[in-house]
Amino acid sequence: TQLLEQSPQFLSIQEGENLTVYCNSSSVFSSLQWYRQEPGEGPVLLVTVVTGGEVKKLKRLTFQFGDARKDSSLHITAAQTGDTGLYLCAGATSGTYKYIFGTGTRLKVLA
Amino acid sequence: EPEVTQTPSHQVTQMGQEVILRCVPISNHLYFYWYRQILGQKVEFLVSFYNNEISEKSEIFDDQFSVERPDGSNFTLKIRSTKLEDSAMYFCASRTGAGVGNEQFFGPGTRLTVL
Repeated sequence: TQLLEQSPQFLSIQEGENLTVYCNSSSVFSSLQWYRQEPGEGPVLLVTVVTGGEVKKLKRLTFQFGDARKDSSLHITAAQTGDTGLYLCAGATSGTYKYIFGTGTRLKVLA
Repeated sequence: EPEVTQTPSHQVTQMGQEVILRCVPISNHLYFYWYRQILGQKVEFLVSFYNNEISEKSEIFDDQFSVERPDGSNFTLKIRSTKLEDSAMYFCASRTGAGVGNEQFFGPGTRLTVL
């Protein structure tokens, strides 16, 4: 069974602080996605990473895919209250049509 | 911008009743998915659908569940005899292809409450 563990599970920080969220697995993924989900809504895709060691930036968000394609991280610089939400990673292995979702990190940014 | 739509947004049903959840994927997408998220838990894969047949399903997707693409636009999930534990948010998703990098777009979800 493929599992994606995210840490921390909960994170509460002050506006302006930096943070890193981790997504770890013992499985190798052909691609990994990061989503943000607001309460009562569907997940919204932030980024897809496909190459080991790949780094992608989306404004203040930096995503990294591990060299072995088993883990990923999301770093937010100078967090804002609008970054509050549930962050989900989801991985797909080759030959499968599905994404396996991580356990989620619930981020709260305080003003 | 094209988006995945789902109806209804909230469905309340009695245990043992049949429910059909509806989705309209993005028009040029070929792969379709159903996921569910029980309150406070992670998003779980249920089933993927391509070329008018199921391409993969999870252990959750038992004989009580079925999917159908009855016409060129709708994609439905049917639960034949609902159980209390079926209460969850059900998300439909679609993508253009199955290859890496093909983005998966999610609908807003249907909240199913089984009483």
